[in-house]
Amino acid sequence: ETGVTQTPRHLVMGMTNKKSLKCEQHLGHNAMYWYKQSAKKPLELMFVYNFKEQTENNSVPSRFSPECPNSSHLFLHLHTLQPEDSALYLCASSQDIVSEQLGYEQYFGPGTRLTVT
Amino acid sequence: AQSVTQLGSHVSVSEGALVLLRCNYSSSVPPYLFWYVQYPNQGLQLLLKYTSAATLVKGINGFEAEFKKSETSFHLTKPSAHMSDAAEYFCAVSDRGITGGGNKLTFGTGTQLKVEL
Repeated sequence: ETGVTQTPRHLVMGMTNKKSLKCEQHLGHNAMYWYKQSAKKPLELMFVYNFKEQTENNSVPSRFSPECPNSSHLFLHLHTLQPEDSALYLCASSQDIVSEQLGYEQYFGPGTRLTVT
Repeated sequence: AQSVTQLGSHVSVSEGALVLLRCNYSSSVPPYLFWYVQYPNQGLQLLLKYTSAATLVKGINGFEAEFKKSETSFHLTKPSAHMSDAAEYFCAVSDRGITGGGNKLTFGTGTQLKVEL
C-alpha cells in the first residue's frame, strides 16, 4: 500500500450504531488530520494529531471520538450519530512543521462516504 | 485568521480552451497557497503549491498558478482544457506562522470544472 488509505470506503449506519473509520498513512509523516466534507460546504477540519498528540479539536461534537495510537494510524470512532453527520470523511497526513518557514502539503486518502439513517 | 474565496462555484469551458479558476486569499502573514483537485469519489490530490519561491508555480497535468501579492490572488490556469480535467478544484491557504502543530489549511468552497466537447 502506498499513500493514505481509508477503510471502509462506504458506511451506512443507524443513529444508535457504533462504528469506526480507519486511516493509515505509508508516507512516514508525523501529522494526521480528519476532515468532514459536506455538499456545498468548505472542507471542515475536525481534528489534528501531531506525533500522536491531539493538537486541534474544532468544536467537534463528542459523538465523534478520534484515536491516534501511532503516527501511521488514525481512527474516528462514531456513536449515536445524527442524519446531518452524513458526509465524506477525509483523512490526511503531512510532515510536522518544525520550522515556520516550511509549507508542507497534506496528502489525502480517498475518504469514507458515511450515510446515517 | 486566513480565508480563501473562490469565485464561481461552477466553470464550464470547451475542450482546448483556456482554463481559469479564481482564488483570492486573506492572510495576516505571508501565506502558503495550494491548489488541490478532487475527482468523483476520490480524495484531494495536490496540483501545486506556493511557498515564496517563484511567484509562477507549475504543477501537474499542465496546470500553473501565479501568486500576486498586490491582488491577494492565486488563480489557477491551464492553456488547453482536456476532458480529463473535469473535476472539483480547491484553493487552500496555510498560515506561515503555524509551528509545531501540523500544517493547518483553510479551504475555499471549491469550483466544479466542466469541460465540453
